[in-house]
Amino acid sequence: DAKTTQPNSMESNEEEPVHLPCNHSTISGTDYIHWYRQLPSQGPEYVIHGLTSNVNNRMASLAIAEDRKSSTLILHRATLRDAAVYYCILREPHSGNTPLVFGKGTRLSVIA
Amino acid sequence: EPEVTQTPSHQVTQMGQEVILRCVPISNHLYFYWYRQILGQKVEFLVSFYNNEISEKSEIFDDQFSVERPDGSNFTLKIRSTKLEDSAMYFCASSLEGGTGELFFGEGSRLTVL
Repeated sequence: DAKTTQPNSMESNEEEPVHLPCNHSTISGTDYIHWYRQLPSQGPEYVIHGLTSNVNNRMASLAIAEDRKSSTLILHRATLRDAAVYYCILREPHSGNTPLVFGKGTRLSVIA
Repeated sequence: EPEVTQTPSHQVTQMGQEVILRCVPISNHLYFYWYRQILGQKVEFLVSFYNNEISEKSEIFDDQFSVERPDGSNFTLKIRSTKLEDSAMYFCASSLEGGTGELFFGEGSRLTVL
């Protein structure tokens, strides 16, 4: 699997936007960029994914660099509930049961 | 909202004992996974399952581990003879599609091996 690089930790003030970066310089042309997060004492949960274009959903936005070697997960207004470990994961779309391979992720702390 | 449910939430067992962890995936999902997370470490892939057979497995998933979908609803992970290092949180996940399909994870089963 192509690897991703994320900062170990980040901190944000409540109600401010958060930009979580991810580098994936060895991404292949068909890899999708997925983001999951893990709240304390819970299982991982899906946040967003994309291929080339920027994506928005009710949880977050995903900005993908034109060369696809990096991406940024954007939380528009951080809340205390957004404190979690955020994982940026590359995944091939071939048919079959491609497992998600988790790295260490970025631990986001949100300060009230 | 449909969810993946896991039982038990916490199991304590003696080293060498057999353990079965149970999962009920989301009902129309076709792809199933087990992951584990040792305390303070990252989430590790164990095995994926589709069409009643293992699709992929990691190096962790050795002969002590097995998976089964016995009745079309449950998806179980069996550890034949537990070791101290099997102590971890075990997460079951399911997805409707393979490839880029979103995985839905359960809350996990904490296994403590004494």
